[in-house]
Amino acid sequence: QKEVEQDPGPLSVPEGAIVSLNCTYSNSAFQYFMWYRQYSRKGPELLMYTYSSGNKEDGRFTAQVDKSSKYISLFIRDSQPSDSATYLCAMRPGNTGGFKTIFGAGTRLFVKA
Amino acid sequence: NAGVTQTPKFRILKIGQSMTLQCAQDMNHNYMYWYRQDPGMGLKLIYYSVGAGITDKGEVPNGYNVSRSTTEDFPLRLELAAPSQTSVYFCASSPGSRIPYEQYFGPGTRLTVT
Repeated sequence: QKEVEQDPGPLSVPEGAIVSLNCTYSNSAFQYFMWYRQYSRKGPELLMYTYSSGNKEDGRFTAQVDKSSKYISLFIRDSQPSDSATYLCAMRPGNTGGFKTIFGAGTRLFVKA
Repeated sequence: NAGVTQTPKFRILKIGQSMTLQCAQDMNHNYMYWYRQDPGMGLKLIYYSVGAGITDKGEVPNGYNVSRSTTEDFPLRLELAAPSQTSVYFCASSPGSRIPYEQYFGPGTRLTVT
């Protein structure tokens, strides 16, 4: 079993739709949960992070962490064609548990105008 | 700041050839990483470094070597290229424990081994 599972998609939605991207994980030591966005032929860039459980909102983006279910989500409201990219979830333990980050395989998202 | 820079952008190697992928960062980050990204497989850690003179293996180190003589530079060496090393290679850096959740990635090097 992989430490982090992420559906590779592709996911195609119309402009303005609400997008839900998800990852599951198996390592209960993970404390930091990140979402990276990667445009075609570019390096990943950090979109959002959450420490431990709960929700975090930043503009049209909301990140959720449910540690009891080992499940994280990224919601994109009012999706735009410029949101078309691959979204990678990533996780790492707290500072006392090592610093290596484990990445999901990434979900390709297409937002159609 | 240029951030994390990588050269070359593209390279085609023949089986058995050697090459060095260059990586540099100007953010004074202690931690640096090399990842490879294969389709549908996510980012796999090859090697990492927590400071000048200190390196260690990641998940998939076989066939690669690294060195870290300065804080800024972290080159990745392929000694005997094999088709299995065809991939996109990303270098990244991070401040380490001060900001534990963020890594800054370079633009990548696309390598094909034939």
